[in-house]
Formats: sequence, structure tokens, C-alpha cells
Amino acid sequence: DIVMTQSPDSLAVSLGERATINCKSSQSVLYSSNNKNYLAWYQQKPGQPPKLLIYWASTRESGVPDRFSGSGSGTDFTLTISSLQAEDVAVYYCQQYYSTEFTFGPGTKVDIK
Amino acid sequence: QVQLVESGGGVVQPGRSLRLSCAASGFTFSSYAMHWVRQAPGKGLEWVAVISYDGSNKYYADSVKGRFTISRDNSKNTLYLQMNSLRAEDTAVYYCARGGLGRTSLTLHRAFDIWGQGTMVTVSS
Repeated sequence: DIVMTQSPDSLAVSLGERATINCKSSQSVLYSSNNKNYLAWYQQKPGQPPKLLIYWASTRESGVPDRFSGSGSGTDFTLTISSLQAEDVAVYYCQQYYSTEFTFGPGTKVDIK
Repeated sequence: QVQLVESGGGVVQPGRSLRLSCAASGFTFSSYAMHWVRQAPGKGLEWVAVISYDGSNKYYADSVKGRFTISRDNSKNTLYLQMNSLRAEDTAVYYCARGGLGRTSLTLHRAFDIWGQGTMVTVSS
């Protein structure tokens, strides 16, 4: 199984400042045949289902604000919120879909400082 | 609009069974892989199972293998999760989610772009 880890567990950022979340997979999720990283990021607000933000490690889902960006390749990935807004308070999960055990990271809680 | 609506949750005793349903609308259900994902109270997301567009391929998390069965009825635009031999640790909100579009094995491997609101399953005596 591919194990996903995230850091930090939580972070508090001032409004308008940058938030950075890291995600690491226990093995590469880069598929050499198409050079795509099988890595997604989701946002979950309290009482709501998860929402897809980023797929293929760096492609923003339609309608997602451009302050959200994803980067990385192989085993190391980053989600960046360039200018934190109040509505971005949530838990963020990375997920690999490379294997048929579609594992999620443990989540990172983002709050306002 | 594109929508997934889960139903069938409730309180059940350990060792008993429950079947969840997920009604899809607003898209061509028969063209997509579909998933079940669960979330225990106050915990993170745990993928449970996936089924291919036509039901021919199914995969499960080790934690539910042999106890849960995913299925679909494309004529009814509905996804199911049959849960047998339930345990306290199966207590969670169960979400259905839309996976990849397409008719090859590679299209199983896509992010989950649409999620239902979830249905709560509580396993308790």
C-alpha cells in the first residue's frame, strides 16, 4: 500500500498570508508512461463533504480560486494558498490515485491566526 | 445539476448488515467509475471501495475486504454498498464519490470530482 503523510498537522496563518502544506507518498506516484503525478488535493469544511481542489498534482479544478496551487513530483508534493482568506479555513487532504488503494493523507487543519 | 445522494445509513448492532445506496443524477452515470469513502467521527478520510463503469472491476480497502460488497445498477443510476459483519470501527459517515470517466482500466485512476453529502452509519449494541 502507498502510505501518504502530511505536514504540518495544523497551521495558523494571518489573513492575506501564505499557507503551505506538504504531502509525501511512500512510493512514487509518477506514472512514467504519461509523465503524470497521480496526486490530488481536497478541501473539507466542517459539516461538508470534501471538495476537489487540485488533480494531477498541479491542475486546478474548474471554479477553484487561483490562490490555490499544487506542485511537486514523484513522492513530494505541496499545496500552497497564496493569500489566505477567511473562507479557506478547512482541513486539507492529499490523496494518491496511482494504486487501486486510493489512500488519503491524514489531513492538515488550516486556521486563521 | 450533477448530484449524488446517499441513503440507507442508521444504527445497527455489531455483526449485522446494512446496505447503502447512492443515487446519481445530472451526468451519464454508466460512464464513470464510482467510489465509497468513509470518515469516522472526528477522523480523516478512508477510501473504502471502487467499481468500474460497468461493474466488471471492483477493489476494496483491506479493512473491509470480505465483508463489504460494492455494486451498481446503471439502469437505475444507483451505486450500492452492502456491508456485512459490521464492527464498531465501521462507524462513520459514508460518502459516495465520482471517479474517472471512460472505459479502460486506466480511467479507474482519477481524482474524485463529485461527492455526496454522506450518510451516517453507527454500529453499536
